[in-house]
This record gives sequence, structure tokens and C-alpha cells, in this order.
Amino acid sequence: DTEVTQTPKHLVMGMTNKKSLKCEQHMGHRAMYWYKQKAKKPPELMFVYSYEKLSINESVPSRFSPECPNSSLLNLHLHALQPEDSALYLCASSQRQGAEETQYFGPGTRLLVL
Amino acid sequence: KQEVTQIPAALSVPEGENLVLNCSFTDSAIYNLQWFRQDPGKGLTSLLLIQSSQREQTSGRLNASLDKSSGRSTLYIAASQPGDSATYLCAGLGIYNQGGKLIFGQGTELSVKP
Repeated sequence: DTEVTQTPKHLVMGMTNKKSLKCEQHMGHRAMYWYKQKAKKPPELMFVYSYEKLSINESVPSRFSPECPNSSLLNLHLHALQPEDSALYLCASSQRQGAEETQYFGPGTRLLVL
Repeated sequence: KQEVTQIPAALSVPEGENLVLNCSFTDSAIYNLQWFRQDPGKGLTSLLLIQSSQREQTSGRLNASLDKSSGRSTLYIAASQPGDSATYLCAGLGIYNQGGKLIFGQGTELSVKP
């Protein structure tokens, strides 16, 4: 099973709302990622968690708050977002095995900020 | 700083044609290179991963090659089908980056006409 699941699939929120995106994997991977993808652009890395600790924050605004409750779950808490934050938010996971590290992506959450 | 470039940006071919998508990277200190497929509004599907010690990988009608010395990777698709229509992304993982930060190219949007 190489599946990464994300909920919800679609989310519409106002600029004063608080919402959360959820990501789950059961492949035993110890690295999990959040990416943001705008239309016609490649994914941009936001955060990396390694062994449930935040290892990379790509200078993401504090209105995005990641959380890794356990090795299978990754959340992204959203608060006071701006319309320009509307995008596809992708979660991924990976595990380095010898010389190989494949990232597996979820289907994404399509976010619209009004 | 690793930069990944993909050409062409868009490609339209008739069904049945063999085609090559190109990916170039600036830093030869690459750990591995991964090819993804993305359908509109969907997540990324991993197609092939080539480790830095390998020269090529094959899966069905797909063949990916890696030439570190020239900083190039190619994805060869044999006997293309309309179902192959999607955006294809290559992404490199730096050899010194233990955090798993993938550097993506801008993608090639492929259209296979029946």
C-alpha cells in the first residue's frame, strides 16, 4: 500500500476562519511533507517533519501552522488566510531505504480563500 | 543551488508516437531523480525513481535515464496513448539534503491526440 490520504478534498474559507487540513499514511514512513501548488506551477515545499519533529520550515507565514501528532498523521492548521493562499495543498511521505528515497503524494486539498 | 529545468513546456503528439521528455539539473551532486505524473487538479503519481548510481529505470512503456555528468534525465514514453495526457514533472533530491527536499522542474504538459 503506497497511499497517502488527505481530507478534505475541497475547502472554502473566509479570511477570518480557522480550518485544518489532514494527511495520513500507513506505510511506516518517518518523513512527511506539506507542499503548496498554484495553477500551472510545480509544488513548492512548505514544511518537512522527520521523526515527528519539524526539520524544515521554508519561511512559511505563521498563518500556516503544521502539526505532527504521531508518525502517521500530519495536520496543517490555517488561520487568517489571504486570497492569495488559495491553492492545491499536497501532503507527501517518504522513507530513505539504502540509496533510495521515493516521495509519495496524496491527492491534495483544493483550498479557496474568499 | 540546484535548479531543475524541463523542456519542452508543452507537447502535443498523435496517438502511437514515441516521445522524449527532457529534464536538466545544475548540480551533479544529486541523490536521486524522480519522475511524476500529475492529472489536472490531482496529486502527483510517482512514475520512476533513478538512484544516483543507476543509469536508467523502466516501467512498462516508460523508460527514464540519468546522466549525472551532463546533468540530464530523459523520460521516454513508447507508443503514446490519450490516457498519457497529463503534466510530467521531474524532481531531484540533493545528495547533501537529508531532509528530503525535492527540487522540481516546471513540468511538461503532454497532450496525446486520438
